[in-house]
Amino acid sequence: DTAVSQTPKYLVTQMGNDKSIKCEQNLGHDTMYWYKQDSKKFLKIMFSYNNKELIINETVPNRFSPKSPDKAHLNLHINSLELGDSAVYFCASTHSRGPNTEAFFGQGTRLTVV
Amino acid sequence: AQSVTQPDIHITVSEGASLELRCNYSYGATPYLFWYVQSPGQGLQLLLKYFSGDTLVQGIKGFEAEFKRSQSSFNLRKPSVHWSDAAEYFCAVGARNTDKLIFGTGTRLQVFP
Repeated sequence: DTAVSQTPKYLVTQMGNDKSIKCEQNLGHDTMYWYKQDSKKFLKIMFSYNNKELIINETVPNRFSPKSPDKAHLNLHINSLELGDSAVYFCASTHSRGPNTEAFFGQGTRLTVV
Repeated sequence: AQSVTQPDIHITVSEGASLELRCNYSYGATPYLFWYVQSPGQGLQLLLKYFSGDTLVQGIKGFEAEFKRSQSSFNLRKPSVHWSDAAEYFCAVGARNTDKLIFGTGTRLQVFP
């Protein structure tokens, strides 16, 4: 069983479109995250949710809207896609809040905006 | 603000050789320190972590890392590299008063037979 699963794995879309990436974890964790990895492999946190409550919003443009329907799911919706949004987006989860717990990552969603 | 520096963008070693990947952090107190590995097309997997106590920590896949407060370093080592170790390696720091991890820019490891 995959612990943290993301769909889709690849996403190619045109500028201006709206798209969503879904993430689910079956670890029973309370906290979930979205990270963005750019073309230079730099990994930066975007959002975190704890028990469906937004904890971190790391100055991400408001075209990006996370939604957590329950603590096992954290989806990422992106409006009006731009070329600069092309990246690999990783979902992750931890047992609880705080940086001292192991993060489990999904396989990533490679988003390409053309 | 905390930060992480991985000075080596790309390292190439022969299979069976020893390995050391460098990581330096900037943080006022003792941080939480992690090493993650990313295989091609995969997500990140935790290799090891340091919170407190013994400064030499053992991880999975035969890796170890040593925390040196005086040098603000947390270098990753392996005595004998296997071809399957070829991957991207990320050092990360977690500040004790936040919920997030700060990642370094990664070191790409190539292993030649």
